[in-house]
Amino acid sequence: KQEVTQIPAALSVPEGENLVLNCSFTDSAIYNLQWFRQDPGKGLTSLLLIQSSQREQTSGRLNASLDKSSGRSTLYIAASQPGDSATYLCARGGAAGNKLTFGGGTRVLVKP
Amino acid sequence: ETGVTQSPTHLIKTRGQQVTLRCSSQSGHNTVSWYQQALGQGPQFIFQYYREEENGRGNFPPRFSGLQFPNYSSELNVNALELDDSALYLCASSAVPGQGKGGDTQYFGPGTRLTVL
Repeated sequence: KQEVTQIPAALSVPEGENLVLNCSFTDSAIYNLQWFRQDPGKGLTSLLLIQSSQREQTSGRLNASLDKSSGRSTLYIAASQPGDSATYLCARGGAAGNKLTFGGGTRVLVKP
Repeated sequence: ETGVTQSPTHLIKTRGQQVTLRCSSQSGHNTVSWYQQALGQGPQFIFQYYREEENGRGNFPPRFSGLQFPNYSSELNVNALELDDSALYLCASSAVPGQGKGGDTQYFGPGTRLTVL
């Protein structure tokens, strides 16, 4: 069974601190790994997608790494801001373009 | 370029009723996926449509059905609603599966909040 786990479920940090969000998956035959942001009651915003052949992706203050051998992906958010407060979800892509298997998310609060 | 849109935004139904949710895919995308997100959980894959054909299905009963139209918009139909069907229903569109280089990125709509009483 393909499973995706995100620990911790919630995280609170002071503004300016770097955020490290973890995602683990059980099946190393991964096609891609996608990180999303979700604001309360809203849809998902795609942040970064890492193909299985890649080790990391970067966009602005965000950097995501992928280690298939250990079944882990990490999302780094540098110099956190209150506007970064949201739930962050990782999702494992299986077969090409097919379903995403999501973790339960990490709820982040950045305190001013 | 328009994003993914969904309608309605909110919906309240009673147990046993039927519901239809709608999704318009992002311009240039021909693949639509539907997900169910219960409160406090990650989304669960329901099914995907590619060029009007079902292209994968998750662990949902047959009372969850779908359609994709020639313009790539899609519908999710749920019959015989149960209380546990209360959730946020998300639609996502993407380009041709397997294109790589971002072609697999799924772009989500704002969702439809369904409440079953």
